[in-house]
Amino acid sequence: NAGVMQNPRHLVRRRGQEARLRCSPMKGHSHVYWYRQLPEEGLKFMVYLQKENIIDESGMPKERFSAEFPKEGPSILRIQQVVRGDSAAYFCASSPLGGVAEAFFGQGTRLTVV
Amino acid sequence: AQTVTQSQPEMSVQEAETVTLSCTYDTSESDYYLFWYKQPPSRQMILVIRQEAYKQQNATENRFSVNFQKAAKSFSLKISDSQLGDAAMYFCAYGGYNQFYFGTGTSLTVIP
Repeated sequence: NAGVMQNPRHLVRRRGQEARLRCSPMKGHSHVYWYRQLPEEGLKFMVYLQKENIIDESGMPKERFSAEFPKEGPSILRIQQVVRGDSAAYFCASSPLGGVAEAFFGQGTRLTVV
Repeated sequence: AQTVTQSQPEMSVQEAETVTLSCTYDTSESDYYLFWYKQPPSRQMILVIRQEAYKQQNATENRFSVNFQKAAKSFSLKISDSQLGDAAMYFCAYGGYNQFYFGTGTSLTVIP
C-alpha cells in the first residue's frame, strides 16, 4: 500500500507564474488535508477536502490560492501569480474517514519562488 | 482556539542518554488526540507517537514514551537510549476533528 504521494518534490516558479501541487492519497482514503510550512515554523492548516467537496478552507489565503479534490485523480493545490512569500514546504495528509487520528503525511513539495 | 506551545527551540542529548521534550496546549474540548512528529532533514513528517485524550494510560512506542497530564494540558515526549538517528526536528501537535495544530518545534541534536 503506497503512502501519500506528493509531486513534484521540488518546484521552482518565477514570480507571477502559477504553481500546481499534487497529492495522491493513500488507497482507500477519501479525506485530504493541506498544510504549509514556512521556514523555521511548524505546519499551518490550509484546507480540508473530501472527494468533490471543500469541508474547511479557513486556513486558505483569500486570494490566489485554491484547492480541489475531484472524484477521480489527485487533490490539487493551486497558487496563482506566485510571490516570494509563497516559498514554503507544502504538505498533504490523507485519512480514510473524517478526522486526523488516522492521517498520514506525504513527503511534501518544496516551492521556491524566484 | 487551540494552541500548542513548545518552549524549547533546541535540545541536545548524549548518545544513549534520555531526553524529554516539553509541550503544552490549550483547548476547551474534552475529546482529542495528541501527537509527536519527527521531521528529519528529508522533511518527511514521521509519526512518533499518538495519545488519545480519553485514555489515562501514557502511550509508549519502543524507546519513545509520553507523559500526558490532561488537567495541566501537558504532553511531553521522553526518548530513552538516544541514538544518532533520533536527531531531527520534533513537532508536538493537537488533533481536533478537522485539523492538526502544530507547535513551532524542538530541534534535537544527539552528541556521539
